Amino acid sequence: RKEVEQDPGPFNVPEGATVAFNCTYSNSASQSFFWYRQDCRKEPKLLMSVYSSGNEDGRFTAQLNRASQYISLLIRDSKLSDSATYLCVVTGTASKLTFGTGTRLQVTL
Amino acid sequence: EPEVTQTPSHQVTQMGQEVILRCVPISNHLYFYWYRQILGQKVEFLVSFYNNEISEKSEIFDDQFSVERPDGSNFTLKIRSTKLEDSAMYFCASSPGLADNEQFFGPGTRLTVL
Repeated sequence: RKEVEQDPGPFNVPEGATVAFNCTYSNSASQSFFWYRQDCRKEPKLLMSVYSSGNEDGRFTAQLNRASQYISLLIRDSKLSDSATYLCVVTGTASKLTFGTGTRLQVTL
Repeated sequence: EPEVTQTPSHQVTQMGQEVILRCVPISNHLYFYWYRQILGQKVEFLVSFYNNEISEKSEIFDDQFSVERPDGSNFTLKIRSTKLEDSAMYFCASSPGLADNEQFFGPGTRLTVL
């Protein structure tokens, strides 16, 4: 089983749509959870950390279910500028980030 | 806003040659990392570095790889004898602390081995 598994997409959605991405992780000892965003041929950039209680940042909502080892990201009112690859990331040991392969989002007019 | 910088942006080398990729982490950060991303694949952890020594490394980080912080500001990744399969984007990152401290990534160096 892959350490971090994501649907690669692409998800093609119209502007204004709501889209949800899911991710599962295999290591039950994972401690910290993140969503990063990566634009084509650019570096990953932190979008948001994910907490057990769920958290929201503007149009973005992240949820964590430790029992199911499942993480989600919801994007409301999609913008053209949201087009990117969304990376689910977990930490096992203290320093190492483990990345999923990413889910590609394309927002269209 | 402080940022991680990397040089060069693109390095082309012949198989078997040594390359050194350079990074300047954010100045008050204590933890430094190298990751790589082969085209079309996921970002993979190579090594983490703290207090002038390696704190963790992956299976990819074999004897051909080494890291150094030569002068208190630069953080380098050396590949001693490059192979075709070393062609990838190499990202440097730094963080102020561990665990849920955000890791800030540099723009990457694209390494092409011919």
